[in-house]
Amino acid sequence: GQQVMQIPQYQHVQEGEDFTTYCNSSTTLSNIQWYKQRPGGHPVFLIQLVKSGEVKKQKRLTFQFGEAKKNSSLHITATQTTDVGTYFCAGPGSSGSARQLTFGSGTQLTVLP
Amino acid sequence: DAGITQSPRYKITETGRQVTLMCHQTWSHSYMFWYRQDLGHGLRLIYYSAAADITDKGEVPDGYVVSRSKTENFPLTLESATRSQTSVYFCASSGQGLNYGYTFGSGTRLTVV
Repeated sequence: GQQVMQIPQYQHVQEGEDFTTYCNSSTTLSNIQWYKQRPGGHPVFLIQLVKSGEVKKQKRLTFQFGEAKKNSSLHITATQTTDVGTYFCAGPGSSGSARQLTFGSGTQLTVLP
Repeated sequence: DAGITQSPRYKITETGRQVTLMCHQTWSHSYMFWYRQDLGHGLRLIYYSAAADITDKGEVPDGYVVSRSKTENFPLTLESATRSQTSVYFCASSGQGLNYGYTFGSGTRLTVV
């Protein structure tokens, strides 16, 4: 079945450093989504990318969707302690329904003050 | 997000007991989902529903039952709880539009002893 792989699993950065997490799918995706989960919290939807090569920005966060629509990345510039959490990518599952998401294993970000 | 609520937040039950986790959303979203989150496994889909009276299995459905008699409610029942079902359970919903992003509930932390 469709798999969504995410690396790295953990990342520790000093406050002010940049951070990037990568997501790779075994199949072409119709769309990819990113979520953030704070410690002890629930996943919160950040963004959806649909177009090949698409780049979207939200303040210090930059999201990219690969040209082949099989990979994506999330880059955070100048991390802050508020960025702490686990970042998940998610893509449509192998059932063919765009609504049913398969989540990557997540990248847990720790920001050291 | 106040629009999707899960109850209870915490539950301890004994092996073999039946347990029902509740999920209620106020947006009239068509799609609803149940995921479990375990260390080392990320978020895995248990069941999902495209509309009232339409449900389908996800990646890990064994030992669980769902129903959706009303659009706003999507309860998850563990027929005979086992220790391996100790987990954090998240309910999520998604609307009909082109934005496929999920809104998650706050989760239920279930411990089976």
